[in-house]
Amino acid sequence: AQKITQTQPGMFVQEKEAVTLDCTYDTSDPSYGLFWYKQPSSGEMIFLIYQGSYDQQNATEGRYSLNFQKARKSANLVISASQLGDSAMYFCAMRESDYKLSFGAGTTVTVRA
Amino acid sequence: ETGVTQSPTHLIKTRGQQVTLRCSSQSGHNTVSWYQQALGQGPQFIFQYYREEENGRGNFPPRFSGLQFPNYSSELNVNALELDDSALYLCASSIDRDNYNSPLHFGNGTRLTVT
Repeated sequence: AQKITQTQPGMFVQEKEAVTLDCTYDTSDPSYGLFWYKQPSSGEMIFLIYQGSYDQQNATEGRYSLNFQKARKSANLVISASQLGDSAMYFCAMRESDYKLSFGAGTTVTVRA
Repeated sequence: ETGVTQSPTHLIKTRGQQVTLRCSSQSGHNTVSWYQQALGQGPQFIFQYYREEENGRGNFPPRFSGLQFPNYSSELNVNALELDDSALYLCASSIDRDNYNSPLHFGNGTRLTVT
């Protein structure tokens, strides 16, 4: 079974608007971490934000926030005030007790001027 | 602090050959892992090294092997290359293997093309 599901292959967003990227996960581990990474066309995987399974509050990092709904097993990424430089592939990933990262298929975001 | 560096950036090999990819971990990081990313897909876990020992492996055949050195740098070796091995190979380091909260920091990757 897929551990991480990202159902949006591609999204378009207007500059300065917000965009939500969906992510659902599947695990039976009580302790896990959820991560979002950005991958520009250059290939580097850039860490954006982290949410722990026991964290009570949603994580925020600048323009990035994570909408964590544990009961629904979802961890959506919200990018506010989109910029042209936000155009990239975005990956949701989960780290369980075996410490490896399991990635979703990714969502391509294109920001329009 | 220096980040994760990988070499080479690009590589072209012929089917059946062997290849070695190299990775220098971020300063202070004792855990390194390797991922294979085929075009248009998410990265797939190959294996992880902690203090010079492999301590986790994904669904990859034994012709994928690795090493971690005392300075925590690492190598990924692939023998008997196949066309399907063409991919971006990403190295990642983290500060603490036992902390699932610690994010992995990735290098820019090595793009391998097998012809």
